Amino acid sequence: DVKVTQSSRYLVKRTGEKVFLECVQDMDHENMFWYRQDPGLGLRLIYFSYDVKMKEKGDIPEGYSVSREKKERFSLILESASTNQTSMYLCASVSGTGLSGANVLTFGAGSRLTVL
Amino acid sequence: AQSVAQPEDQVNVAEGNPLTVKCTYSVSGNPYLFWYVQYPNRGLQFLLKYITGDNLVKGSYGFEAEFNKSQTSFHLKKPSALVSDSALYFCAVRDFTGGSYIPTFGRGTSLIVHP
Repeated sequence: DVKVTQSSRYLVKRTGEKVFLECVQDMDHENMFWYRQDPGLGLRLIYFSYDVKMKEKGDIPEGYSVSREKKERFSLILESASTNQTSMYLCASVSGTGLSGANVLTFGAGSRLTVL
Repeated sequence: AQSVAQPEDQVNVAEGNPLTVKCTYSVSGNPYLFWYVQYPNRGLQFLLKYITGDNLVKGSYGFEAEFNKSQTSFHLKKPSALVSDSALYFCAVRDFTGGSYIPTFGRGTSLIVHP
């Protein structure tokens, strides 16, 4: 089975701290995603990456950055955490290139971040 | 542009009764449609998808969904609900003629199955 592992399930950080959320997948998928999940708002795409060192902004990139130095790892970075970034963060990956839209995303278990 | 709507925040059903979770979509071309389920404190899991062919799609855990092009809908159904089906359900759409492989998700519907 494809596995997407998010290293931190629960984090509590203080306003202004730099936060790293790590995601690793073990199936050589080209494409990786970071979503934010909030009640009533569903999943909102923060950033995605279709190759090593490549990244594209999603719908809500403000306040976030990403890093993809290796194919299997996609990191989400909050440069200076704020209380409105308290949320559940979901990482996902999928194989294939742009025309393989029928492929299914595989999600990690999520990282619940609380910013005080 | 692509979008998906799940008009119900919550669906309540008694165990053993049929259930329906609604989803409508909007794409400029032809859609790929997906249903995912999320159990508490877990990531999303794939249930089923419509790509082409038969309008009735069968998936995991006894779920099925019917693609209706004229009504632009893709409702999730199950003939007999179980308490263990209680979870958050997400519909997603991708316009495969739109040049993007990224799906758009709905806001989610909480399904509560009462014993």
